[in-house]
Amino acid sequence: RKEVEQDPGPFNVPEGATVAFNCTYSNSASQSFFWYRQDCRKEPKLLMSVYSSGNEDGRFTAQLNRASQYISLLIRDSKLSDSATYLCVVNKDDKIIFGKGTRLHILP
Amino acid sequence: DGGITQSPKYLFRKEGQNVTLSCEQNLNHDAMYWYRQDPGQGLRLIYYSQIVNDFQKGDIAEGYSVSREKKESFPLTVTSAQKNPTAFYLCASSTRHFYNSPLHFGNGTRLTVT
Repeated sequence: RKEVEQDPGPFNVPEGATVAFNCTYSNSASQSFFWYRQDCRKEPKLLMSVYSSGNEDGRFTAQLNRASQYISLLIRDSKLSDSATYLCVVNKDDKIIFGKGTRLHILP
Repeated sequence: DGGITQSPKYLFRKEGQNVTLSCEQNLNHDAMYWYRQDPGQGLRLIYYSQIVNDFQKGDIAEGYSVSREKKESFPLTVTSAQKNPTAFYLCASSTRHFYNSPLHFGNGTRLTVT
């Protein structure tokens, strides 16, 4: 099993819809979790950290399920500008592991 | 404004030449990293440094070298020994190299070797 796995997509979603995707991780002792957003040919940018109790930032909600070893990202009322690749990142001790990303296309 | 600056944005070199990519940060971060990204691939760690004058190999260090003489600077040299150097190179930093410390990335250097 890969250390961090994401569905590569693409997810093609109409503007205004809600979309969610998951990221699974193999190491149950993983300590911290993040979602990054990467636009085409640009650097990744931190979208949000993922806390055990779940957290929300505007239209974005991140959740952690330690029992099933996955994190999720939910985007409500999607905008055209949400089109990007979403990377999950899992940390344990001195290891930082990036998923390969999920591509999201918001359709007008 | 604090941030990470990578230069140049685009770099072209002939095969067999060494090339150095610059990375400077003014975030006062202790840890710095170099990643490589190939089309359709995830980020792969080349080298990282937790403190000045110390650095560690990542997953794909062969053909690369780094130095960390100053806290703000972490240059990466791509040597002629690197078999497939053409890629998108990303430098990042974090407050410390431990959990719960997100990475902040520079805007990358796109290297093409012909």
